[in-house]
Amino acid sequence: DTEVTQTPKHLVMGMTNKKSLKCEQHMGHRAMYWYKQKAKKPPELMFVYSYEKLSINESVPSRFSPECPNSSLLNLHLHALQPEDSALYLCASSRFTGGEQFFGPGTRLTVL
Amino acid sequence: EDKVVQSPLSLVVHEGDTVTLNCSYEVTNFRSLLWYKQEKKAPTFLFMLTSSGIEKKSGRLSSILDKKELFSILNITATQTGDSAIYLCAVEAKYGNKLVFGAGTILRVKS
Repeated sequence: DTEVTQTPKHLVMGMTNKKSLKCEQHMGHRAMYWYKQKAKKPPELMFVYSYEKLSINESVPSRFSPECPNSSLLNLHLHALQPEDSALYLCASSRFTGGEQFFGPGTRLTVL
Repeated sequence: EDKVVQSPLSLVVHEGDTVTLNCSYEVTNFRSLLWYKQEKKAPTFLFMLTSSGIEKKSGRLSSILDKKELFSILNITATQTGDSAIYLCAVEAKYGNKLVFGAGTILRVKS
């Protein structure tokens, strides 16, 4: 298995909802990442997990809460989001921290 | 602050043309430079460059890094309509383990 998968593909949620985004890889990669990408902009790093521990939090608001239950899975828990949080959320993984990152197809999130 | 600048921002060419995309960077403790192609969804990895002057090649695509002048180029020869995409350049610093992306170059290849 040489890909990163993400679910759901699309998500529409209200500002009071709680939802989660999921990311999975079975390449044995030990680093996993969450990025946010707005339309016509490059991806912006949110979080980095290395060996299942959070190593980077790019000053992301607490309404985004990452979780890495094991080396293959990465979740992003969403609560009380704002309409400006609507974006494509990309997950990526790499063999170790550093080096080429392989991206999943993303979750297109719309916050109403 | 780490910075990556790509040029041109957008480009329209005809099938068969050769294009050169540019990426310049300023980063503390440079580790590597990566090129990605993004169509509708996820960026797909093209090249990772760590050493100056060594060309990486994959089919019609090639890339080279100049660590002295702090830039890289991505060449695409004999362009096809399937090459139409956003090409992203990203730089990785040794510390922090994060990629800093440039704004991208939007390439459109007309048939």
